[in-house]
Amino acid sequence: KAGVTQTPRYLIKTRGQQVTLSCSPISGHRSVSWYQQTPGQGLQFLFEYFSETQRNKGNFPGRFSGRQFSNSRSEMNVSTLELGDSALYLCASSSPKGTGELFFGEGSRLTVL
Amino acid sequence: QKEVEQDPGPLSVPEGAIVSLNCTYSNSAFQYFMWYRQYSRKGPELLMYTYSSGNKEDGRFTAQVDKSSKYISLFIRDSQPSDSATYLCAPGPHNFNKFYFGSGTKLNVKP
Repeated sequence: KAGVTQTPRYLIKTRGQQVTLSCSPISGHRSVSWYQQTPGQGLQFLFEYFSETQRNKGNFPGRFSGRQFSNSRSEMNVSTLELGDSALYLCASSSPKGTGELFFGEGSRLTVL
Repeated sequence: QKEVEQDPGPLSVPEGAIVSLNCTYSNSAFQYFMWYRQYSRKGPELLMYTYSSGNKEDGRFTAQVDKSSKYISLFIRDSQPSDSATYLCAPGPHNFNKFYFGSGTKLNVKP
C-alpha cells in the first residue's frame, strides 16, 4: 500500500512569492492534516480536511490556506511568503477507523530567501 | 502556556541504557496520548499510543500516562543505536485529528 506522497520535496522561494504544496493520502483515507515543523516551534497544526471540508484550523495567518479535492488529495498554499515561513511542511492522512493514528509523508522543505 | 511541553534534550546514552522521555500537557480533555518517532529527513511515524491513563507496553517500549498530573512518559529498555531519532509526544482530543505535538527530544544511542 503506497504511503502519503508529498510534492515537491524541496523548494526555494523568495519573499513575497507564493507556493503551493501537494499531498496524496493513503488510499481510502479521507482525512488530511497539515503541520508546519520548525526547529524552534516543533510541529504545529495548520488545518485538517475531511471530505473536502475544513474541519479544524490552527493559529496561522490567513496567508496559509488549503483545500481538499473529491479524490482526497489536498493542497496547501502560502501567499506573500516571509522568511519565517521556511520550514518542513508535513501532510498526514488518517484512517476512517478512527484510531487517531496519523500517517505522515516525508514533507516538503520550503526555504524562503 | 503551551499545550504540550517536552524535555528538549538532546539526549545521548550508551547502548543498552534505559531511556526516559517526558512531556507535560495542560488540557485535561486530552484522551489519546501518542508517541511518534522521526528519523532524520523522514516524516514522523507512530510508535505507540495509550488511551486515558495507565501503562502500555510494546516490546522494549513502555508508554505511561498520569492524567492527574498531566504527565506523559516513554521508556525505552535496552536502547539500541537504531533507536537514535527524535521522539515526539502528541496528546489530543482525537476528534478531527487535531493533535498537539511536543517540540521533540532528540535521542542518540552510542554503540
